[in-house]
This record gives sequence, C-alpha cells and structure tokens, in this order.
Amino acid sequence: TQLLEQSPQFLSIQEGENLTVYCNSSSVFSSLQWYRQEPGEGPVLLVTVVTGGEVKKLKRLTFQFGDARKDSSLHITAAQPGDTGLYLCAGPNTPLVFGKGTRLSVIA
Amino acid sequence: EAQVTQNPRYLITVTGKKLTVTCSQNMNHEYMSWYRQDPGLGLRQIYYSMNVEVTDKGDVPEGYKVSRKEKRNFPLILESPSPNQTSLYFCASSLGAGSFYEQYFGPGTRLTVT
Repeated sequence: TQLLEQSPQFLSIQEGENLTVYCNSSSVFSSLQWYRQEPGEGPVLLVTVVTGGEVKKLKRLTFQFGDARKDSSLHITAAQPGDTGLYLCAGPNTPLVFGKGTRLSVIA
Repeated sequence: EAQVTQNPRYLITVTGKKLTVTCSQNMNHEYMSWYRQDPGLGLRQIYYSMNVEVTDKGDVPEGYKVSRKEKRNFPLILESPSPNQTSLYFCASSLGAGSFYEQYFGPGTRLTVT
C-alpha cells in the first residue's frame, strides 16, 4: 500500500499569516487529491492534481504537484479562522489511501 | 441535493450485539466505500464496492461485512462488535475508483462499543 506522509501534523497560527503543508510519498502518484474536513463533518474535496509541476489556485489556497509527482504542497495565504480544519491528501490507488492529515487552527 | 446519508449518526452499543450502519447516495455513483477514522491513524478504508454485487476488502476489513444489493445503498454490518471498533465511520461515493474522481462523504457515524 502506498503511504502518504503529511507534515506538519499540527499547526496553530494567527489570522493573516501564511502557511504551507506538505504531502510526500516514496512512490510516484498518477494523481493526488486534497480534502478539508471540518469538525463533525466528512471530508470535502478541494482539488485534484494530475500533472507533474501543476499549480492550481482556489482563492487563497495554492496547490502544487511536484515535478516528479512524489510530493505535493498546499499553501494558504492570509489564513482566516474559516480555514481551520483537517487537511488530508489522498493517493491514487484502489483502495484510496489517505495521509493522516495536518490539523490547522487559525486563531482570530 | 446531491448527498450521501448515513444512519445512525451516533450509536452506543455493547460488545457482541450485531449492528448495521446504513449508507445511501442519490448521485447514481458506481463506487462506494466505508472508512474508519481514528486519532493518530487517520482515515482507513474498510471495504469498497465498484458496482452492485461487487465488493472488496480495503485496508482494515476484519470484523466488518458489507453488501451492495442495489446501487444507492451500501450498509456496513458489524456482526459481533468489539471495543476496538469504537471509531468514527464514514461512507463515501464517487463516479469511479481512485483519485481522479471526487469522493463524496457522508456526515459520519460515531460508534462506541462498550
């Protein structure tokens, strides 16, 4: 089973700060997804990246897929309390494999 | 509204008492799956189904059963629950398997086995 390592595990920042979280694997991905899970809810898809070097933007969130397709990052600009949640990356296999997530807390 | 529903949302039961958690989707998705989420272990897949009458084991299938008799429903059955099955359970559906397809998750079922 392909393993996905996410870092950091926990992150607590002040509103307005920037942050980056990472998802890494020893294997090459054919594609990768990022989900956000808010307390008491199921994960919700943010983005799917497919091409090595790909950059996708979703408002203040920027997702990058590594050139070698073995790593990905999520950068949040000017974090807001509404960004608080668990950020999960998910790999391409069947069964789908999820990283353990980065738990982000943005303090007003 | 496109959605995945699960019932019950919360369940407290005793060891050995059979239970079923229901899952239903209204998006005509082929692929459905069950996950459990535990602190420090993340989200792990229990079983998945590629289509009606087609099911397969995920990473942690021991102690669970599933069935897919119709496309919209994918119940999770615990024949003899044990305390190590205390967890938060999610059902999900998608058009297909793998990360080319968006997984739609239900709201979760928090199960406690005493």
